[in-house]
Amino acid sequence: NAGVTQTPKFRVLKTGQSMTLLCAQDMNHEYMYWYRQDPGMGLRLIHYSVGEGTTAKGEVPDGYNVSRLKKQNFLLGLESAAPSQTSVYFCASSYELGWSYEQYFGPGTRLTVT
Amino acid sequence: AQRVTQPEKLLSVFKGAPVELKCNYSYSGSPELFWYVQYSRQRLQLLLRHISRESIKGFTADLNKGETSFHLKKPFAQEEDSAMYYCALLNNAGNMLTFGGGTRLMVKP
Repeated sequence: NAGVTQTPKFRVLKTGQSMTLLCAQDMNHEYMYWYRQDPGMGLRLIHYSVGEGTTAKGEVPDGYNVSRLKKQNFLLGLESAAPSQTSVYFCASSYELGWSYEQYFGPGTRLTVT
Repeated sequence: AQRVTQPEKLLSVFKGAPVELKCNYSYSGSPELFWYVQYSRQRLQLLLRHISRESIKGFTADLNKGETSFHLKKPFAQEEDSAMYYCALLNNAGNMLTFGGGTRLMVKP
């Protein structure tokens, strides 16, 4: 099991460019999440999905779009990158609800927007 | 709205000293709380759940509903405990976590 994988690991974009981050999980999890991690602000939820074909906004969705066409994949898109989107992006997935709930995280993607 | 606050961004202790990482929450229901840890060059992973009342790597955390706190404690810190620690609160639907801002723990030799 690879768990949760993210592609790419690093990326540098110029302001206004677009890109897509790919998250894949091989654990048959229903729920998938995209976070951004910024110093002092912890992890903030961008978008999430409760199943194939569904997406929902999280805490900081502006400037991002997502798609969940296949259960195992969750894509995060930046249509027109801005320097404020420089961050480390983490994908996570989970399946259990309630007290045994656990999110499994990917290794992260470090994005720099110049 | 639910909220998690970790008041210390950085906590530095010497090896063998006790450590307490603070976490406070605001939530209208019965809270389900977690601690996640991120070691250097590793991915974020679950450390412990309050409901399990478990001790992992010598760490424990007690839920104090009166003080709305879920502080993480260890009696004798080790250098390998150096990491970023996040407190997290589960939502009502049980499918989403709200994370605190994180505390970086540095254990000096």
